Amino acid sequence: AQSVTQLGSHVSVSEGALVLLRCNYSSSVPPYLFWYVQYPNQGLQLLLKYTSAATLVKGINGFEAEFKKSETSFHLTKPSAHMSDAAEYFCAVSTGSGGGADGLTFGKGTHLIIQP
Amino acid sequence: NAGVTQTPKFRVLKTGQSMTLLCAQDMNHEYMYWYRQDPGMGLRLIHYSVGEGTTAKGEVPDGYNVSRLKKQNFLLGLESAAPSQTSVYFCASSFDPGLAGAYTDTQYFGPGTRLTVL
Repeated sequence: AQSVTQLGSHVSVSEGALVLLRCNYSSSVPPYLFWYVQYPNQGLQLLLKYTSAATLVKGINGFEAEFKKSETSFHLTKPSAHMSDAAEYFCAVSTGSGGGADGLTFGKGTHLIIQP
Repeated sequence: NAGVTQTPKFRVLKTGQSMTLLCAQDMNHEYMYWYRQDPGMGLRLIHYSVGEGTTAKGEVPDGYNVSRLKKQNFLLGLESAAPSQTSVYFCASSFDPGLAGAYTDTQYFGPGTRLTVL
């Protein structure tokens, strides 16, 4: 069984500052890892994913994440926050076996607040 | 491509009433999923389907039924709604078997259905 822990239900940063959202996972097999973003009253949009290729993954809107097996982490970063980054962010894991057919396991989410 | 669409967008039910939520996708995806999203809980998988005519239980299946009679549609039913089923429901799909080299795990989400049970 797999699980995801997102540290911090709310994170507040100033516009232009570094964004760091933390995600730790637990999986009995090599995982596939995802970050999704949800803007108010919308569905989830894929930001980036790790599927056992490069450990540093670049996504949309300037975000990137690094897979660290030794730390079982997949933290999301962005060098300079923009007001439009304010949203809910979800980390998710799938085992990658069976084509991910049995769904994703999500963390509880981190609400990112951008201070002007 | 419309992607993943959900009907209706909003619904209010009284306790004991029944309803069906419809999810449709036009991406030739084999796999489809229903999740519910509650404050502070993230998304939890209700049921899923790995192909037409097949369904399986997820993490929180009680009180829900599903059907996948056509590849492009996935229906979620509530036979007797309860206030605990007040939530936002998301449908997702993944895996186009005709797309060479496709990663099967990326899920594409619909806009959600906000359901309130009084």
